[in-house]
Amino acid sequence: DAGVIQSPRHEVTEMGQEVTLRCKPISGHNSLFWYRQTMMRGLELLIYFNNNVPIDDSGMPEDRFSAKMPNASFSTLKIQPSEPRDSAVYFCASSLAFRLVVNEQFFGPGTRLTVL
Amino acid sequence: AQKITQTQPGMFVQEKEAVTLDCTYDTSDPSYGLFWYKQPSSGEMIFLIYQGSYDQQNATEGRYSLNFQKARKSANLVISASQLGDSAMYFCAMRENDKLSFGAGTTVTVRA
Repeated sequence: DAGVIQSPRHEVTEMGQEVTLRCKPISGHNSLFWYRQTMMRGLELLIYFNNNVPIDDSGMPEDRFSAKMPNASFSTLKIQPSEPRDSAVYFCASSLAFRLVVNEQFFGPGTRLTVL
Repeated sequence: AQKITQTQPGMFVQEKEAVTLDCTYDTSDPSYGLFWYKQPSSGEMIFLIYQGSYDQQNATEGRYSLNFQKARKSANLVISASQLGDSAMYFCAMRENDKLSFGAGTTVTVRA
């Protein structure tokens, strides 16, 4: 079974450039989450979608970050313009969201972003 | 305010011994879930075990067990019979509604 798929796995870019991270959730999952992991701040939830609708984007750091989920099988996280402090590992996760069941989140392999 | 607290930045354990990783949480919601994830050096996040706030019994999954003390708001992970492959970072997380909040993690190093 295919898990959560993220691309690219590694991205190196220069400050000011646009960066687009991609995620394909597990088929049938109806919730999708974007996280950022850094040494300083640990794992932070940036935004999550339920049935393709953004539910909570309070973790998005600033207007330079945007996320979309045009359909149930694809999501993007865009940073424009990128800055060195955006360097981190970005994880996408998906789950089958029903209350009162486990509905653990399955994580993708992550995208390691380096902004020079 | 910190929702999940893991007070042990790093731990060493001898192979074949048990290790307990501490996790305390803070919530006023009566319905929540507690998770433990493992992150090996390769970077992926691996789900280990889950405890629901209404579950009466402690969760177990193979060598992993969760010591859930609701009144103390603690959800410690016990790994029994440690193996070299258990060396990794371990994260405790709490789900409220659909959102997961993660602790800072504990690095476990298993010694041969």
